[in-house]
Amino acid sequence: GNSVTQMEGPVTLSEEAFLTINCTYTATGYPSLFWYVQYPGEGLQLLLKATKADDKGSNKGFEATYRKETTSFHLEKGSVQVSDSAVYFCALVHGGATNKLIFGTGTLLAVQP
Amino acid sequence: DVKVTQSSRYLVKRTGEKVFLECVQDMDHENMFWYRQDPGLGLRLIYFSYDVKMKEKGDIPEGYSVSREKKERFSLILESASTNQTSMYLCASSYAGQGVYGELFFGEGSRLTVL
Repeated sequence: GNSVTQMEGPVTLSEEAFLTINCTYTATGYPSLFWYVQYPGEGLQLLLKATKADDKGSNKGFEATYRKETTSFHLEKGSVQVSDSAVYFCALVHGGATNKLIFGTGTLLAVQP
Repeated sequence: DVKVTQSSRYLVKRTGEKVFLECVQDMDHENMFWYRQDPGLGLRLIYFSYDVKMKEKGDIPEGYSVSREKKERFSLILESASTNQTSMYLCASSYAGQGVYGELFFGEGSRLTVL
């Protein structure tokens, strides 16, 4: 079946460091891929998405590229801030109006000043 | 500002009690979802609904039921709470239209503790 695998956290970085959070997926066909972020005490919110191979999603300085050849969608940011501290979830959906997302287990990012 | 509102942020219940978790969205979305979030397991889908009075089982429906009598409201029911249902419960909604697949809007969550 369809699944998403994320790197385990926590990931602890100093401010202005480079961030990579790995995400790989297993799915038939051509899923759409997403990163969601959960700030402390809040619900999840969509960070970025990519709907076809080689698409790059970007938002708030974060980027991720849909790589079909490696079935990956790694999240990157060139210079993290303390305010980026959150849990990041990779997810996929196989289209269809019901939007039934499959989530990874989440990766906690802690950025220290 | 669009909003998904969950009725309780924190609840403490006893084993065997009936528990209602309420969720209301103001975006006129067709789809609504209940997930539970547990450390190391991520989000797991309990039930979802794509229309009023319609519901479908997710990945872990056992021990839960749902109700959707109005488009804006989706309730999760634990008929007889057990300690293994201690968790964070997240409600979400989404539009069913083309081109917006995967964009879910989440509430802040309800943390349930069953003693």
